[in-house]
Amino acid sequence: ETGVTQTPRHLVMGMTNKKSLKCEQHLGHNAMYWYKQSAKKPLELMFVYSLEERVENNSVPSRFSPECPNSSHLFLHLHTLQPEDSALYLCASSQGLGTSGTYEQYFGPGTRLTVT
Amino acid sequence: AQSVTQLDSHVSVSEGTPVLLRCNYSSSYSPSLFWYVQHPNKGLQLLLKYTSAATLVKGINGFEAEFKKSETSFHLTKPSAHMSDAAEYFCVVSDQSYQLTFGKGTKLSVIP
Repeated sequence: ETGVTQTPRHLVMGMTNKKSLKCEQHLGHNAMYWYKQSAKKPLELMFVYSLEERVENNSVPSRFSPECPNSSHLFLHLHTLQPEDSALYLCASSQGLGTSGTYEQYFGPGTRLTVT
Repeated sequence: AQSVTQLDSHVSVSEGTPVLLRCNYSSSYSPSLFWYVQHPNKGLQLLLKYTSAATLVKGINGFEAEFKKSETSFHLTKPSAHMSDAAEYFCVVSDQSYQLTFGKGTKLSVIP
């Protein structure tokens, strides 16, 4: 495997379910990100981790719970979601955080989530 | 505060003709600017990046962009479109932090 991988690629869940999205990066990076991509809206940054510590939580509802057990893996735990949470969830990684876009972010293919 | 506006939600060109995707930005600082491309069912891929060096930036697959501070623009161009260029393109700005602000995207269609 190379780059950034995400599983599953597609997920359909009911509002009372609990599920998790997984992201793995094979690039030796130290920072990882979760983004939400909804139709007709710009990408929204959800969470940022650097060296396994959360450094950003962009007012994301508590029904989304991230976990970063090591610098290569990032999870997004989902519970009691709403239909408006249906979107493409993208994971990214970068060598470090840096400033002014110093480090390029590498994106995974995303998980297409549908909440019914 | 930073923001980015992609002026066209959809652009359609014929194969072999030039491509122009327009982007205007707003930033309180000297920004870094990027163009990313997203093919169907794929993640975002960096096309090119401006970080206050040369104002004309060359990227992958024959794309280039010119940073024009006076016009606060960073338009993406390619002299000759190829069928494989059909995708969605995102203009992105970053000022003083690691945070990226994305535009809403421009979908490029290439007609054979």
